[in-house]
Amino acid sequence: NAGVTQTPKFQVLKTGQSMTLQCAQDMNHNSMYWYRQDPGMGLRLIYYSASEGTTDKGEVPNGYNVSRLNKREFSLRLESAAPSQTSVYFCASSEPPSGGPDTQYFGPGTRLTVL
Amino acid sequence: GNSVTQMEGPVTLSEEAFLTINCTYTATGYPSLFWYVQYPGEGLQLLLKATKADDKGSNKGFEATYRKETTSFHLEKGSVQVSDSAVYFCALSDRSGAQKLVFGQGTRLTINP
Repeated sequence: NAGVTQTPKFQVLKTGQSMTLQCAQDMNHNSMYWYRQDPGMGLRLIYYSASEGTTDKGEVPNGYNVSRLNKREFSLRLESAAPSQTSVYFCASSEPPSGGPDTQYFGPGTRLTVL
Repeated sequence: GNSVTQMEGPVTLSEEAFLTINCTYTATGYPSLFWYVQYPGEGLQLLLKATKADDKGSNKGFEATYRKETTSFHLEKGSVQVSDSAVYFCALSDRSGAQKLVFGQGTRLTINP
């Protein structure tokens, strides 16, 4: 199993350009998440999808949109990139057991620079 | 809202030293608590977890105990190795449907031989 895969690994954009970050998981998980990681701030949740067909905002959704294409794939789109979106982006997935703790499995990340 | 606070880093230790990384949390209800580790150039991976008060999570020589009375989940290891050099994140998960994680800011640990 590949687990959680993300493409691309690196990307440089100019202010105002758009792009889509791709994420796929092969663990048959229901829930998927997008985080951004900035120095000294840990990871912050951008959007999540509790199950196929649903998406919800997290802590920092402004400037982003998401699509849960199917159970495997969850993409993150930047419509008009800004320098404040320079960050490392992580996708994660999980299969929350009923009433139990939720282990999330993370992809390797996408390092995005907006000039 | 829920929040997690970790001790400031970076932390530098010699091999075989004792490690403690402090973590405290604020949450309503009874969250689950986690430690994740990020090795250089990689994504995060689960190190250990605990689901209720007084539970002890353990893995690879690391331990953490869920202390409800002090709202803490400190990470400890008796004898660190160079290979433990990484960034460590404390996190909590509420028990709502999607069980979203709230992370601390991370603590960078460097172990010198």
